[in-house]
Amino acid sequence: DQQVKQNSPSLSVQEGRISILNCDYTNSMFDYFLWYKKYPAEGPTFLISISSIKDKNEDGRFTVFLNKSAKHLSLHIVPSQPGDSAVYFCAASFWIGTASKLTFGTGTRLQVTL
Amino acid sequence: IAGITQAPTSQILAAGRRMTLRCTQDMRHNAMYWYRQDLGLGLRLIHYSNTAGTTGKGEVPDGYSVSRANTDDFPLTLASAVPSQTSVYFCASSGIRTGLYYGYTFGSGTRLTVV
Repeated sequence: DQQVKQNSPSLSVQEGRISILNCDYTNSMFDYFLWYKKYPAEGPTFLISISSIKDKNEDGRFTVFLNKSAKHLSLHIVPSQPGDSAVYFCAASFWIGTASKLTFGTGTRLQVTL
Repeated sequence: IAGITQAPTSQILAAGRRMTLRCTQDMRHNAMYWYRQDLGLGLRLIHYSNTAGTTGKGEVPDGYSVSRANTDDFPLTLASAVPSQTSVYFCASSGIRTGLYYGYTFGSGTRLTVV
């Protein structure tokens, strides 16, 4: 059962425009939602996160929006740059026992074209 | 540079052979994890360790074993490799609390092909 879903495997956006990556989840117990960025032949790197009690978090060009009633979050990148071309993973975390646990979505490949 | 070191970077392995993927971190993180990445399936947790001396099973633990003798090292062993274990393997670590909102630090991965 996929608790975190990214239904769009790929997205192409022109440089300078907005990129919107979407993610849906099923488990109401998640405490935080995170976005990771992954380049080929590298490990995923943390990009931005949002607490389940917030509805928006912004960091430079990156903004994450959380809609708890719809169990949906999105990552906005404005303006998009060619260096943003990568695979983006949505993840959700919760506290279990004595540590946190992350569950990942299947990823969305973003291509920013010139 | 602080982080996670994985070895080897890539490996071609004959089916039935035993293989240990190495992972070392220098951040003194308590928790460590092994994930595999497969196309269309994202990152799936194989095994984890919340602290030295303890380990736990993730989503896809069958065919894999781990040990955590100390804080820094978390090797993953395939006792008898099968082609379905062809994948990219990522080791990760986190602080106990910071993992919740900063997530994990990942290594660069080991690309394993079982033939």
